[in-house]
Amino acid sequence: GAVVSQHPSRVICKSGTSVKIECRSLDFQATTMFWYRQFPKKSLMLMATSNEGSKATYEQGVEKDKFLINHASLTLSTLTVTSAHPEDSSFYICSAQDGFSGNTIYFGEGSWLTVV
Amino acid sequence: SQKIEQNSEALNIQEGKTATLTCNYTNYSPAYLQWYRQDPGRGPVFLLLIRENEKEKRKERLKVTFDTTLKQSLFHITASQPADSATYLCAFSLSGGYNKLIFGAGTRLAVHP
Repeated sequence: GAVVSQHPSRVICKSGTSVKIECRSLDFQATTMFWYRQFPKKSLMLMATSNEGSKATYEQGVEKDKFLINHASLTLSTLTVTSAHPEDSSFYICSAQDGFSGNTIYFGEGSWLTVV
Repeated sequence: SQKIEQNSEALNIQEGKTATLTCNYTNYSPAYLQWYRQDPGRGPVFLLLIRENEKEKRKERLKVTFDTTLKQSLFHITASQPADSATYLCAFSLSGGYNKLIFGAGTRLAVHP
């Protein structure tokens, strides 16, 4: 079945540094990818929607300069957390929409970010 | 603003019983409502989608209902097993995108032997 891969699955970084998380669709072309964050025992919060080749659309309250999203190809989107702070520590999850096959959506396994 | 609520943070049941989870929404009329399973530290896994013109959908031991009058969806797991223990999330699509989803907080289901 279709798979969405996120990398890294866990990352620890120092305050003030930037960290990049990759989201890849392994056997389908993802016309649209979505980025979510999730705090422990809380729901997934949509951060942004990214379409291949265009700028991401951010949800209200999400800083676009803080969370840089790039969707350069139909199989890869990246989320870069810039100048990370401890409050950015969270579980980040991407999902990918297979726009060529009924708009089915697949979620990645998530990436744990810890900022120390 | 659009809001989606799952009325139980946690649900404990005995193996073999039917688990029923509730999802209510306000200030919106979704065309689709979806249910996902999420295990600790993992991404959500899609289970079922039900459209507004569908009253009920079934998949093996799972059943979902969608009552647009009550603005409510019920998710049932029959003959529950300990392996069904997980967090179950409901979600509906926001306008502007089929899969631009807003999620409920989830219900943690624990099935005891």
